[in-house]
Amino acid sequence: QLQLQESGPGLVKPSETLSLICTVSGASISSSSYYWGWIRQPPGKGLEWIGSIYYSGSTYYNPSLKSRVTISLDTSKNQFSLKLSSVTAADTAVYYCARHDYYGAGITQTDYWGQGTLVTVSS
Amino acid sequence: SYELTQSPSVSVSPGQTASITCSGDKLGDKYASWYQQKPGQSPVLVIYQHKKRPSGIPERFSGSTSGNTATLTISGTQALDEGDYYCQAWDSTTVVFGGGTKLTVL
Repeated sequence: QLQLQESGPGLVKPSETLSLICTVSGASISSSSYYWGWIRQPPGKGLEWIGSIYYSGSTYYNPSLKSRVTISLDTSKNQFSLKLSSVTAADTAVYYCARHDYYGAGITQTDYWGQGTLVTVSS
Repeated sequence: SYELTQSPSVSVSPGQTASITCSGDKLGDKYASWYQQKPGQSPVLVIYQHKKRPSGIPERFSGSTSGNTATLTISGTQALDEGDYYCQAWDSTTVVFGGGTKLTVL
């Protein structure tokens, strides 16, 4: 059974960089059938896609966050990571890592989600 | 940028049919999917590629798409179906989520 687990600091100071890791078990992130992504949800609000990465390292990012986001892979550890720079209170959210199905021309559904981790931006 | 529009809330009586809609330009040409999220939990995929149902999702969940609108239908709605529902689609280079619909069963 595929499982995704987010890890990282729960508190980040304004202007610093938020860093999270997603550890995948039960499947290889080197599969050509999937993208691996990050999605966030501010308290009481809806879902916002941050970005996704393919096993080749190819990435797609939300245009509204692109200047601050880096997503990368560590295939040796079956992990992928998120870095979001220059954070503000508006970046406070539950951050989910997830798996997207990929059909060659783009991403379709998001079929597996991690449990999510709350990251608070505060001094 | 591409947008998906959902009504903020839908109410339904137990046993009745709930319909939740998601609108976006040429959405019928894209692969729409639907997610259920209950308080404090991660979203769960309930419909993908417009009308397919993952294993383990009850048959009362169904999806359809026509033109610019995708619809999630819950037949014989139960109290445990209460929660937030989000649609998702892929546009060119971005994953887009709708704003979510809160389904109340009362």
